[in-house]
Amino acid sequence: GAVVSQHPSWVICKSGTSVKIECRSLDFQATTMFWYRQFPKQSLMLMATSNEGSKATYEQGVEKDKFLINHASLTLSTLTVTSAHPEDSSFYICSATTGGDQPQHFGDGTRLSIL
Amino acid sequence: DAKTTQPTSMDCAEGRAANLPCNHSTISGNEYVYWYRQIHSQGPQYIIHGLKNNETNEMASLIITEDRKSSTLILPHATLRDTAVYYCIVRASSNDYKLSFGAGTTVTVRA
Repeated sequence: GAVVSQHPSWVICKSGTSVKIECRSLDFQATTMFWYRQFPKQSLMLMATSNEGSKATYEQGVEKDKFLINHASLTLSTLTVTSAHPEDSSFYICSATTGGDQPQHFGDGTRLSIL
Repeated sequence: DAKTTQPTSMDCAEGRAANLPCNHSTISGNEYVYWYRQIHSQGPQYIIHGLKNNETNEMASLIITEDRKSSTLILPHATLRDTAVYYCIVRASSNDYKLSFGAGTTVTVRA
């Protein structure tokens, strides 16, 4: 149980395009979903917290107009990187939880490369 | 949430128990200890969590000291597939549910 699916696994696109990443909890309803970014040889950095039906809460330094988060249902959250540039190239990972003391369960990540 | 301290790296022998320490001396009464691991180029995998009692599941055991200032994750029979970065994270069971990832311990299991 507690499977989180993230799609796509790899994206390569040109600078200036927008990229959408999907995160789905397959066998549970997620109270809260999270989006992280991880640069090579670094740890995960939380970008934003997302609750179903409400606006995402972004961490300090994360541009909310660049990283658009939509959490339309208890099983789906999307992250759109708008007008992506090479410096946005990174490993993006989502997670989901049912809340309380329950753990976050993570997707397998999306490797984004902007040329 | 309280900060944690873990060794930077550890080597373990395949087939032997791997004992991963974590210090969390400023832990509060309502904070849980969570363990995750990240195998290269994958998302983190939840291993186990606990509040004050020792916990065991199919993956590992979690031993929390009586004063809760430290804990040990035990992988009973390490395999090569257990090579990963292991993260010990302390988090309160509160509304924001955030996890703060440190550098973790890079565990290398050797044949």
